[in-house]
Amino acid sequence: DAGVIQSPRHEVTEMGQEVTLRCKPISGHNSLFWYRQTMMRGLELLIYFNNNVPIDDSGMPEDRFSAKMPNASFSTLKIQPSEPRDSAVYFCASSLTGEGDTQYFGPGTRLTVL
Amino acid sequence: EDQVTQSPEALRLQEGESSSLNCSYTVSGLRGLFWYRQDPGKGPEFLFTLYSAGEEKEKERLKATLTKKESFLHITAPKPEDSATYLCAVRGGSARQLTFGSGTQLTVLP
Repeated sequence: DAGVIQSPRHEVTEMGQEVTLRCKPISGHNSLFWYRQTMMRGLELLIYFNNNVPIDDSGMPEDRFSAKMPNASFSTLKIQPSEPRDSAVYFCASSLTGEGDTQYFGPGTRLTVL
Repeated sequence: EDQVTQSPEALRLQEGESSSLNCSYTVSGLRGLFWYRQDPGKGPEFLFTLYSAGEEKEKERLKATLTKKESFLHITAPKPEDSATYLCAVRGGSARQLTFGSGTQLTVLP
């Protein structure tokens, strides 16, 4: 079975540019999570969806960040405009139901904003 | 608010030297404690879920245990390939999502 798929794996952009990260969850999983990982703050939950509906976006840093899940097999995390402090590794994870179920992580997207 | 503290931050072992990693937690009604392994440049890989005090789970050289306040990840006769960062996460009764600790970076020297 394919795991969680993320693209791109690496993204280098300049400050002020729009960045879109993509995620395909494991087939049959109903919940999807976006995380950000940095050395300073560790792994932080940004937002999660259950049945394509955003349930908790309290971790989203500010209005520059937005996330969508148009269907059960695709989600995007967009940063517009990007800033150097957004540089981090962004992970997508999915779980069967979301209510305490095990989360399975993708390989991550390493974002560098110059 | 759920809280997770992992110790030590880093641990260096000789191959074959057994040890334990600690995960202390504070939650309102534990609904799951999760252990993950993360290799450099990769996403966290699921290892174990524990739900109640006294529960234990094993996988190869790893054994996870749980009490009402902490969990231990015991590593028996580790090998260099066990080198990774080990993350602990909890879900409390009132939370819908996991709270992660900062991890323990384990290095096993040949």
